[in-house]
Amino acid sequence: AQSVTQLGSHVSVSEGALVLLRCNYSSSVPPYLFWYVQYPNQGLQLLLKYTTGATLVKGINGFEAEFKKSETSFHLTKPSAHMSDAAEYFCAVTIPGWGYQKVTFGTGTKLQVIP
Amino acid sequence: NAGVTQTPKFQVLKTGQSMTLQCAQDMNHNSMYWYRQDPGMGLRLIYYSASEGTTDKGEVPNGYNVSRLNKREFSLRLESAAPSQTSVYFCASSEGLATLYEQYFGPGTRLTVT
Repeated sequence: AQSVTQLGSHVSVSEGALVLLRCNYSSSVPPYLFWYVQYPNQGLQLLLKYTTGATLVKGINGFEAEFKKSETSFHLTKPSAHMSDAAEYFCAVTIPGWGYQKVTFGTGTKLQVIP
Repeated sequence: NAGVTQTPKFQVLKTGQSMTLQCAQDMNHNSMYWYRQDPGMGLRLIYYSASEGTTDKGEVPNGYNVSRLNKREFSLRLESAAPSQTSVYFCASSEGLATLYEQYFGPGTRLTVT
């Protein structure tokens, strides 16, 4: 069984500051990892995903995440926050395979960007 | 290209009433899903449909039924609504079930059961 923990349900940063959203996972086999973003009153949108290969993954809107097996982490970062980044962010984990594999979502982190 | 659409956007029900949430996708995807989102709990899968004509239970199927009407449409029915079903419901679709396929989400339906 897999699980994911997002540290901090709310994070505030100043516009232009570094964004760091934390995600730690637990999995008995090498996982696939995802970050989704949810803007107010909208559905989730995929930001980026890690499957295999390069551990630094670049996504949309300038976000990136690094898969660190030794730390069981997949933290999301962005060098400079923009007002439009204010949203809720979800980390998710699944086990690779064909057929349905359960996707476990974290509880979410709301990002506030202060002008 | 509308992506995934859901109706209605908002609904208030009284305990015991029934309703159907509608979902449609125009991306020719094979697989479709229904999730519920509750504060502090992330998303939980209610039912999914691997392909037209098939449906399977997810993590929290009790109190719900689904119908994969055709390749485009996947509906969720609450036969006798309960306050515990107050939630935001999301429909999603993907090209296939395999985990390498991205899921695309609709805008959600906010349901309140009083």
